[in-house]
Amino acid sequence: QKEVEQNSGPLSVPEGAIASLNCTYSDRVSQSFFWYRQYSGKSPELIMSIYSNGDKEDGRFTAQLNKASQYVSLLIRDSQPSDSATYLCAVNKGYSSASKIIFGSGTRLSIRP
Amino acid sequence: GAVVSQHPSRVICKSGTSVKIECRSLDFQATTMFWYRQFPKKSLMLMATSNEGSKATYEQGVEKDKFLINHASLTLSTLTVTSAHPEDSSFYICSARDYTDTQYFGPGTRLTVL
Repeated sequence: QKEVEQNSGPLSVPEGAIASLNCTYSDRVSQSFFWYRQYSGKSPELIMSIYSNGDKEDGRFTAQLNKASQYVSLLIRDSQPSDSATYLCAVNKGYSSASKIIFGSGTRLSIRP
Repeated sequence: GAVVSQHPSRVICKSGTSVKIECRSLDFQATTMFWYRQFPKKSLMLMATSNEGSKATYEQGVEKDKFLINHASLTLSTLTVTSAHPEDSSFYICSARDYTDTQYFGPGTRLTVL
């Protein structure tokens, strides 16, 4: 089992609709969770971080965390063509200075006009 | 948000030469930096964890004598690819971790070995 699993996609969503991206993780003691966006040929860009169960909203983005189910998701409302990218789910593993972030393989999102 | 720079952004070198890539956290101190490699259409692969003032921790399968990492200060880590070969051609990305455990990525360095 991979430590962080995502559906590779591509996920195709019409412009203006809600895009839903999902991620599961295996390490039950993980406490920090992140969503990054990566455009082709560029490095990842942090979109959201979430540490507590529930929802966290930032503009058009909402991150959802359910530690009991080991599940984290990202919702993008009013999807725009500029949202077309690969979205990486990341989970912090370990403690203190020995911790490191484990990335999923990413979900390719395509917003069709 | 926090800013991480990388230099150079692009480098082309001949097989057998060494290449040094710098990673700097510009507006925060980073006791830990990370080096990743990414091949086209593939996910990020963690190569090593760089801790200020101590030896880097390499992931399994990464040759520490080939990929030399130095984390000389709280804002600078360097990756040197020694005796580079064409199969080392890749996109190298560094990241720096702040006190909230959030990692911020540099813009990446595209290495082409001829």
